[in-house]
Amino acid sequence: AQSVTQLGSHVSVSEGALVLLRCNYSSSVPPYLFWYVQYPNQGLQLLLKYTSAATLVKGINGFEAEFKKSETSFHLTKPSAHMSDAAEYFCAVSDGGGNFGNEKLTFGTGTRLTIIP
Amino acid sequence: GAGVSQSPSNKVTEKGKDVELRCDPISGHTALYWYRQRLGQGLEFLIYFQGNSAPDKSGLPSDRFSAERTGESVSTLTIQRTQQEDSAVYLCASSLSGHYTDTQYFGPGTRLTVL
Repeated sequence: AQSVTQLGSHVSVSEGALVLLRCNYSSSVPPYLFWYVQYPNQGLQLLLKYTSAATLVKGINGFEAEFKKSETSFHLTKPSAHMSDAAEYFCAVSDGGGNFGNEKLTFGTGTRLTIIP
Repeated sequence: GAGVSQSPSNKVTEKGKDVELRCDPISGHTALYWYRQRLGQGLEFLIYFQGNSAPDKSGLPSDRFSAERTGESVSTLTIQRTQQEDSAVYLCASSLSGHYTDTQYFGPGTRLTVL
């Protein structure tokens, strides 16, 4: 069974500072990893995904994440925070090995990012 | 193009009543998922439809929950005899082909409150 742990349910950073949101996964097979963002009163939107190609994945809005197998991590970063980045961020894993071929996503509990002006 | 839509956006019901939640996926998407998001928790998978294949119902929490999908279009999630613990946001997502690397596109959700 796969699982995802997001360290820190709330993270606050100053505008212009580095954003680091942590995600660790557990999977018995090579995982496929996703970061989704949920802006207030909106649906989830895909930020980026890792599907076994390059370990450093670049997404939308200047975010990127690095897959580190040795650390079972897929942390999300952005060099300089913007006020518009305030949202909830979810890490998710799919092991691609489900009986139905398409594996449902297993989500972490989310990290709420607050940007301090 | 149009994204995934869900209705109603909010639903308040009394304990013991039945509710139906609707999801309209993106046109042409063969895979459809239902998830539940309880307050302060991550999303929990409920059920998955892929084309005409038998659905994956492994996430449904009890036999009070059921879902249907007509072909590759609309899906309804039904909760019978609602309980207070059913209060949550119910999210629907669709993806193009159902491959495990496909992007899932989410709707805005239905917020269900059971009094």
